[in-house]
Amino acid sequence: SAVISQKPSRDICQRGTSLTIQCQVDSQVTMMFWYRQQPGQSLTLIATANQGSEATYESGFVIDKFPISRPNLTFSTLTVSNMSPEDSSIYLCSVVPAGGGYEQYFGPGTRLTVT
Amino acid sequence: LAKTTQPISMDSYEGQEVNITCSHNNIATNDYITWYQQFPSQGPRFIIQGYKTKVTNEVASLFIPADRKSSTLSLPRVSLSDTAVYYCLVGAPRNNAGNMLTFGGGTRLMVKP
Repeated sequence: SAVISQKPSRDICQRGTSLTIQCQVDSQVTMMFWYRQQPGQSLTLIATANQGSEATYESGFVIDKFPISRPNLTFSTLTVSNMSPEDSSIYLCSVVPAGGGYEQYFGPGTRLTVT
Repeated sequence: LAKTTQPISMDSYEGQEVNITCSHNNIATNDYITWYQQFPSQGPRFIIQGYKTKVTNEVASLFIPADRKSSTLSLPRVSLSDTAVYYCLVGAPRNNAGNMLTFGGGTRLMVKP
């Protein structure tokens, strides 16, 4: 397994601004992902954070809106840019530990409210 | 892209066995089936994963028929603390090839005393 922390845990932001969310893992992992979960809804994959290269985005998500960095094997950031109220959601990072199967371990999430 | 379908909600009583079924008719050959549990204000927690037949661990069993078009999560003797949303996920993380990780809508399980 892996222990994952996210910062901030929650934030209230004004529209038009940007917020960067950090995800830190206590061990090296092979893959890191970013998800969005709107209240009462299921999870939607935003992108795969690739170490040393550009993230791989899912349909409907673009780099200009959700730039992602992954400078090493234990850390990643997701920026939500030029925010609007529709971006209000919970953002979660997940990891697949090295040497394991395909199970993912999730961080506690960042609850974002855009006013 | 494998789409999954789960019951929206289920009710049970303490001590009963609960079976939650997920349909995934378009599952691909390389896809795994994974179940997660999520409590309010927390990230999902891995429960069990399988590819075919039956898998059992200390908290649950996963039954997968030969055609793999569905799967059933079985929780033996549930307690109040098992009240949560249960998600079925079909796919497998693939390096640098995109990821077909499709979460189902989730099943909200309510365990009553």
